[in-house]
Amino acid sequence: QSVLTQPPSASGTPGQRVTISCSGSSSNIGSNYVYWYQQVPGTAPKLLIYKNNQRPSGVPDRFSGSKSGTSASLAISGLRSEDEADYYCAAWDDSLSGVVFGGGTKLTVL
Amino acid sequence: EVQVVESGGGLVKPGGSLRLSCAASGFTFSSYSMNWVRQAPGKGLEWVSSISSSSSYIYYADSVKGRFTISRDNAKNSLYLQMNSLRAEDSAVYYCARVEGNTASAGSGYWGQGTLVTVSS
Repeated sequence: QSVLTQPPSASGTPGQRVTISCSGSSSNIGSNYVYWYQQVPGTAPKLLIYKNNQRPSGVPDRFSGSKSGTSASLAISGLRSEDEADYYCAAWDDSLSGVVFGGGTKLTVL
Repeated sequence: EVQVVESGGGLVKPGGSLRLSCAASGFTFSSYSMNWVRQAPGKGLEWVSSISSSSSYIYYADSVKGRFTISRDNAKNSLYLQMNSLRAEDSAVYYCARVEGNTASAGSGYWGQGTLVTVSS
């Protein structure tokens, strides 16, 4: 059971907009930055969003992050086949003194 | 170009030990905190341990506390994970990752390709 809660799966058709939620608590999302990672199976995770809503250079602006209270979400607009991957949210947890991850969401592009 | 390259994985019997290494290049290693993150086959990401740039701050997941030891050698641009009393549930791909910002951060901008640890008799 992961500390951060994500839906196990999400799907959409090319061009659609999809969102992935991440629910936590006051000790993690509620008091620290949220990060999002994209992982294509068999490869290392890639940082997609940092500090709640910032994109590293090279990440398309189709990807956006937001945070409200103890929840966060990742939105992907203009869905493309190459977006098919696993997505993880993460945050520092003050109570655990460590990084906590969501269980991951498998995105399927139909 | 920033690179982190893990090594040292392999097959080990339950109760055994293994030392993972991570060689960093392309950045000032001594200025960054580092993480170890693992991923069991078919499972999600699990944070293992973090160490600050000067080794002043070290954190461990409860699942490895007392069995694993993180360390670094800034003169050699290297990060280590000493794993003792290994269990089957420690089997995973272990990633080394650079922390962006404070040690107490979930942000890792650069990851290695991982090294596979298999604990089995």
